[in-house]
Amino acid sequence: DAKTTQPNSMESNEEEPVHLPCNHSTISGTDYIHWYRQLPSQGPEYVIHGLTSNVNNRMASLAIAEDRKSSTLILHRATLRDAAVYYCILRREEYGNKLVFGAGTILRVKS
Amino acid sequence: DAGVIQSPRHEVTEMGQEVTLRCKPISGHNSLFWYRQTMMRGLELLIYFNNNVPIDDSGMPEDRFSAKMPNASFSTLKIQPSEPRDSAVYFCASGQGYNSPLHFGNGTRLTVT
Repeated sequence: DAKTTQPNSMESNEEEPVHLPCNHSTISGTDYIHWYRQLPSQGPEYVIHGLTSNVNNRMASLAIAEDRKSSTLILHRATLRDAAVYYCILRREEYGNKLVFGAGTILRVKS
Repeated sequence: DAGVIQSPRHEVTEMGQEVTLRCKPISGHNSLFWYRQTMMRGLELLIYFNNNVPIDDSGMPEDRFSAKMPNASFSTLKIQPSEPRDSAVYFCASGQGYNSPLHFGNGTRLTVT
């Protein structure tokens, strides 16, 4: 499985933007970049995914570097409810439909 | 839609007993995944199915673990016999097609004493 590297933890202030980085230097051309998050005592929740172009949805934005070796998940205004573990995952068609989670980044949001 | 439904929410059993975890995926989804989560090992993919067929079971830890998907609306994960180290939260997730988002259930917290 293609590897991703994320910081162990990050801290943010409420109502400020948060940029969560992810490095994936061994990414291949067919790898999609997926982001999930897991709130305390809940199952993981899909956030966003993309291939090459930046993506926006109601939850977040995904900025993908031009060489695709890194990406950034952007929460535009962090709330206390955004405190969670955020996972950056590469999903490759030749590996079937697998979604393999790493350690993720623990995001703490201060009021 | 009710989402992915897992049962039971909590299970406490004694070592050596058989445990069966159940999952009902979202209607229309054709892929189903079983994960296990512990503090030490994080989220581990155990097995996944496409169109009710097991595709990759390389994450199943031992022969004590087995999973079935007899139809598109039901799957089970069985542990026989159970051991204390199997204590974890077990999640089921379903998706529709390649690269589609996965929807996770609320998990089953298993405690083996």
